[in-house]
Amino acid sequence: DTGVSQNPRHKITKRGQNVTFRCDPISEHNRLYWYRQTLGQGPEFLTYFQNEAQLEKSRLLSDRFSAERPKGSFSTLEIQRTEQGDSAMYLCASSRPGTGGTEQYFGPGTRLTVT
Amino acid sequence: AQTVTQSQPEMSVQEAETVTLSCTYDTSESDYYLFWYKQPPSRQMILVIRQEAYKQQNATENRFSVNFQKAAKSFSLKISDSQLGDAAMYFCAYRSAIGERAGGTSYGKLTFGQGTILTVHP
Repeated sequence: DTGVSQNPRHKITKRGQNVTFRCDPISEHNRLYWYRQTLGQGPEFLTYFQNEAQLEKSRLLSDRFSAERPKGSFSTLEIQRTEQGDSAMYLCASSRPGTGGTEQYFGPGTRLTVT
Repeated sequence: AQTVTQSQPEMSVQEAETVTLSCTYDTSESDYYLFWYKQPPSRQMILVIRQEAYKQQNATENRFSVNFQKAAKSFSLKISDSQLGDAAMYFCAYRSAIGERAGGTSYGKLTFGQGTILTVHP
């Protein structure tokens, strides 16, 4: 497999602008997760998709955040009216269907800087 | 809600020596998985080792092993024969398994600790 890919790798934006990130999971993985990681901290769960259905959203995901996964393939995470507190690394992970502590494979992340 | 705590912000070890990273967690659930993930500088996070809570035997993967103490809610990672390539941030993570054994599935979201930076000295 080619791994999870994320684009762009880095994004610098001015406060108040909208940004969109893309995640391409491993092809046969039906589960997709978004996490946010601030400097020196562990990742925090944002949202989860099973195929195209968004099944869980964290309270961290304010109204300014929206995520989609059309057709159960790639996913996008959009942040509207960015704030300086949104500066973080946004990580995407995917996993196969099934139980048993199925491994999540992480992408390289998109680092967002809001100036 | 579950919480994961890593009380060692930084650890260091000499090459070829052994180091242990600590992790404690809090949960009211009886069925779950625990993981250690490695995040090298500017690189993707990768899975190091996993433990199923219902298994008493500690997991081992080559030079990596865990000490899982369910009653104490402790899950430490031991790295033997440390190598320069082991230098990274290490995260302990928790995942609920509630519903899975009954034939359902859990969503599988991970709850991470704050991380421990491991430095390996040559």
